[in-house]
Amino acid sequence: EAGVAQSPRYKIIEKRQSVAFWCNPISGHATLYWYQQILGQGPKLLIQFQNNGVVDDSQLPKDRFSAERLKGVDSTLKIQPAKLEDSAVYLCASSLSQTANYGYTFGSGTRLTVV
Amino acid sequence: TQLLEQSPQFLSIQEGENLTVYCNSSSVFSSLQWYRQEPGEGPVLLVTVVTGGEVKKLKRLTFQFGDARKDSSLHITAAQPGDTGLYLCAGPSYNNNDMRFGAGTRLTVKP
Repeated sequence: EAGVAQSPRYKIIEKRQSVAFWCNPISGHATLYWYQQILGQGPKLLIQFQNNGVVDDSQLPKDRFSAERLKGVDSTLKIQPAKLEDSAVYLCASSLSQTANYGYTFGSGTRLTVV
Repeated sequence: TQLLEQSPQFLSIQEGENLTVYCNSSSVFSSLQWYRQEPGEGPVLLVTVVTGGEVKKLKRLTFQFGDARKDSSLHITAAQPGDTGLYLCAGPSYNNNDMRFGAGTRLTVKP
């Protein structure tokens, strides 16, 4: 089966600019996650979708970050305006189950550098 | 807060050596997962351990879940350069909706 697709792979922007990331999960996976992985740290959850509804966005910095999953398939994550501390790898993952016990399939991530 | 602490943070060994990395918490987890992440890629699930005291083997990798379900270890026998990567442990959040990750152990196996 095809994996989780993410684009772009790399992005360099100046601070205060905006950026958007795209994710296409595995077909049939109802649950989609966006994680932020800062260099030297483990992934941190930003937002979780179940179909096109938000399950958990408690750790999403809503003053600058937004995400949507229209039609319950593809998802986009946007940052506007970006700050230097947003430099990280943004990982998308999908899961067949809503609960966390069965593991995720991650995409390759988008490496964002804010200068 | 369900923090997962992994040790060591970095490990560099020669091909053929054995190693063990650890994942510890003060919280009890219903399960723990181990992932390996190679440079430029997303984490890949290696194993899920569910029962306290459980031992699972994946070729040269042996995973153990602590009796109290607060810790886990990963032992690699006769490490190979292909084992190089970031090893992450993860456990379900309090509401079981998502996984919380440790900071990982970065392993380098030199030929």
